[in-house]
Amino acid sequence: QSVLTQPPSVSAAPGQTVTISCSGSSSNIGKKYVSWYQQFPGTAPKLLIYENDKRPSGIPDRFSGSKSGTSATLGITGLQTGDEAHYYCGTWEDSLGAARVFGGGTKLTVL
Amino acid sequence: QVQLVESGGGLVKPGGSLRLSCAASGFTFSDYYMTWIRQTPGKGLEWISYISGSGDTIFYADSVKGRFTISRDNAKNSLYLQMNSLRAEDTAVYYCVRDIDVPGTFLYFDFWGQGTLVTVSS
Repeated sequence: QSVLTQPPSVSAAPGQTVTISCSGSSSNIGKKYVSWYQQFPGTAPKLLIYENDKRPSGIPDRFSGSKSGTSATLGITGLQTGDEAHYYCGTWEDSLGAARVFGGGTKLTVL
Repeated sequence: QVQLVESGGGLVKPGGSLRLSCAASGFTFSDYYMTWIRQTPGKGLEWISYISGSGDTIFYADSVKGRFTISRDNAKNSLYLQMNSLRAEDTAVYYCVRDIDVPGTFLYFDFWGQGTLVTVSS
């Protein structure tokens, strides 16, 4: 049972836009920065979005992040088949000391 | 460039012990918090433990507290995870991860190792 809640799966056609939600509480997302990670099968996760809405160097601007209240959202525009992966949100949790927490992950299928 | 290379995974019987290592390069190791994160096959990510750059601040997830010990040797640019009293549910890929913090606040994980598989089975 993950502290943060993500939909298990989302799907969309190439070229379309998809959003992935990440729901938390006032002790985590509500007061903390959110980051997003992309993971392809058999590989390590990779940082996609940090501090809610910033992209590391090399991440296309098709990827965006936002946060409102106790929820965060990852947006991907102009979907490509190469975007098919698992996506995880992460932050940390006051009520658990300083534990880092993740969402359960969302499998993006590009139809 | 930043590199994190884990080693030490393998097959161990329930109740046994294993020590994971992570060799870091490409950055000033002692300046950074480091974290271990694991991923059960086919499942999501689970944060295990972090250690501050100096090693004086350490925190564990409840699932491993009292069984696992995180440590670091800044002279060797290395991070370790001593795992004792291993259980079947500890079977996972273990990642060594650089943890970006400002005082009192975790920000994000920016670099991940390739992971090492630990299998706990009789």
